[in-house]
Amino acid sequence: EAQVTQNPRYLITVTGKKLTVTCSQNMNHEYMSWYRQDPGLGLRQIYYSMNVEVTDKGDVPEGYKVSRKEKRNFPLILESPSPNQTSLYFCASSLRALYNEQFFGPGTRLTVL
Amino acid sequence: SQQGEEDPQALSIQEGENATMNCSYKTSINNLQWYRQNSGRGLVHLILIRSNEREKHSGRLRVTLDTSKKSSSLLITASRAADTASYFCATHRGNQFYFGTGTSLTVIP
Repeated sequence: EAQVTQNPRYLITVTGKKLTVTCSQNMNHEYMSWYRQDPGLGLRQIYYSMNVEVTDKGDVPEGYKVSRKEKRNFPLILESPSPNQTSLYFCASSLRALYNEQFFGPGTRLTVL
Repeated sequence: SQQGEEDPQALSIQEGENATMNCSYKTSINNLQWYRQNSGRGLVHLILIRSNEREKHSGRLRVTLDTSKKSSSLLITASRAADTASYFCATHRGNQFYFGTGTSLTVIP
């Protein structure tokens, strides 16, 4: 089944404790992206990747890192999480950026205390 | 911010009625997409309209795009209770996507 998977689905952590949210897709998509969703703000793009080893900042990259060492994986790293990073995070992928629909993962609900 | 804005923020209709939601955006775009999200779950793609298209249909969905007014509308005809969800427009510019804040649609059986 074609899908985007994220892990973990729920995470409660404390300020400053490094964490990684994994994202994997099995559709051989080139474009992958991370979003955060906050009430009243919609979805905002954090980072995106056009292909392996090609990543770039979205609208809200501060406090986040990403890597794209393999085509299927695009982990999101929070080196020192803070409470303002409490949010619902979505990973998405598409064949290419242009003229292609994005497939979304199920989301990761992160709480930073 | 280059985010789009949906209007209305919330919409409640009876089953069988049509639902119309609007999206306005600020800059030139490559294409505009509409997505649906059931409560707290991942978004699902509904339809994509390119910047050189004016109207597109998919089943009960009709999307229009007016690039001169920087606006789009999504019409859902003959709504069903299962259409209850949040609907987001997303504009694509360069290599980035900009989502609106969403319209929450409730269809009452």
